[in-house]
Amino acid sequence: NAGVMQNPRHLVRRRGQEARLRCSPMKGHSHVYWYRQLPEEGLKFMVYLQKENIIDESGMPKERFSAEFPKEGPSILRIQQVVRGDSAAYFCASSPLASGHYNEQFFGPGTRLTVL
Amino acid sequence: KQEVTQIPAALSVPEGENLVLNCSFTDSAIYNLQWFRQDPGKGLTSLLLIQSSQREQTSGRLNASLDKSSGRSTLYIAASQPGDSATYLCAVASYGQNFVFGPGTRLSVLP
Repeated sequence: NAGVMQNPRHLVRRRGQEARLRCSPMKGHSHVYWYRQLPEEGLKFMVYLQKENIIDESGMPKERFSAEFPKEGPSILRIQQVVRGDSAAYFCASSPLASGHYNEQFFGPGTRLTVL
Repeated sequence: KQEVTQIPAALSVPEGENLVLNCSFTDSAIYNLQWFRQDPGKGLTSLLLIQSSQREQTSGRLNASLDKSSGRSTLYIAASQPGDSATYLCAVASYGQNFVFGPGTRLSVLP
């Protein structure tokens, strides 16, 4: 019974490149959340998705960041034209369908993005 | 807008002590509150989830209480062990908002 999977675990990009972070939720979970943890800071909500729908993206930066959760396959957080300030740990969490939004969240191990 | 604080920011105790970690939130209209632990360089492990209608939850040596009216939750760890050393985070789900995390309490249990 695999937990939330994220890959890659570590990602290094140069300024201006694109970063793609993947998240596979736990089996049976249809809600996915992305969070960012900047060095020495707490976790900040970025976006909440269900299959094929973005429910809440109030925490996403207005430019360069996008997220999707297609009908098939993992959820993708995409960062275009990365800058050094994007260096952080990006965590994905999933929760089950029942009662939707406010269920217990289960977190993946995170992807640590370093922008050179 | 919900704000979550945690005190103390860091705590160092000898092995075997009972300890209390505190979490405060500004908006009492919450749906639930969840406690996590995070080990250095790792993801978050869910410890306890308290629904808004509940007063406390227990799991092994951990007990979490919730007082919505005062905007507080405490995590009680009995008979602490070196393996309990980690950062402990509380997260609050409020109506109309997503989970808001506190900054964490960094716990060190000395053998």
